[in-house]
Amino acid sequence: GNSVTQMEGPVTLSEEAFLTINCTYTATGYPSLFWYVQYPGEGLQLLLKATKADDKGSNKGFEATYRKETTSFHLEKGSVQVSDSAVYFCALEGGATNKLIFGTGTLLAVQP
Amino acid sequence: NAGVTQTPKFQVLKTGQSMTLQCAQDMNHEYMSWYRQDPGMGLRLIHYSVGAGITDQGEVPNGYNVSRSTTEDFPLRLLSAAPSQTSVYFCASSLKPRDRGSPLHFGNGTRLTVT
Repeated sequence: GNSVTQMEGPVTLSEEAFLTINCTYTATGYPSLFWYVQYPGEGLQLLLKATKADDKGSNKGFEATYRKETTSFHLEKGSVQVSDSAVYFCALEGGATNKLIFGTGTLLAVQP
Repeated sequence: NAGVTQTPKFQVLKTGQSMTLQCAQDMNHEYMSWYRQDPGMGLRLIHYSVGAGITDQGEVPNGYNVSRSTTEDFPLRLLSAAPSQTSVYFCASSLKPRDRGSPLHFGNGTRLTVT
């Protein structure tokens, strides 16, 4: 079945450092891929998405490219801020019922 | 603009008690779902609904019931709570089930502890 694997955290970075959070997936067909972010005490929010191969999703300085050849959707940001501290979830949607399958989440802590 | 509203925010139950977690959305979304979030396991789908009167099981449905009598509401019922159901529960909705790439809108969660 479909599955998502993302790097374990926590990831601890200093402000202005470069961020990469790895995400790979297993799926049949052509799934849509997402990154969601969860700030403390809140529900998840969509950060960015890509619906077909080679698409690049971007938002708030974050980017991720849908790579079908490597089945990956790594999240990157060139310069993180303290306010980016949160849990980041990679997710995959495939099939007819809009079921979203989530990775286990990666905690990012950015220190000033 | 309320979005997805979950109540209560916190709940403590004793083993064997029953309760209903409430979820309401005001965006006229057809699709609604319940997830549970556990450390190291991400979010797992419990039940979902693609429209009023239609529900189906997700990944971990045992011990939970749902119904969808209106477009707006999608309550989750625990008939006999067990410690294994201690978790954070999220309700999420989206506009149309088959709209490719349609994002889910999440509530702020209900933290449930079963002793």
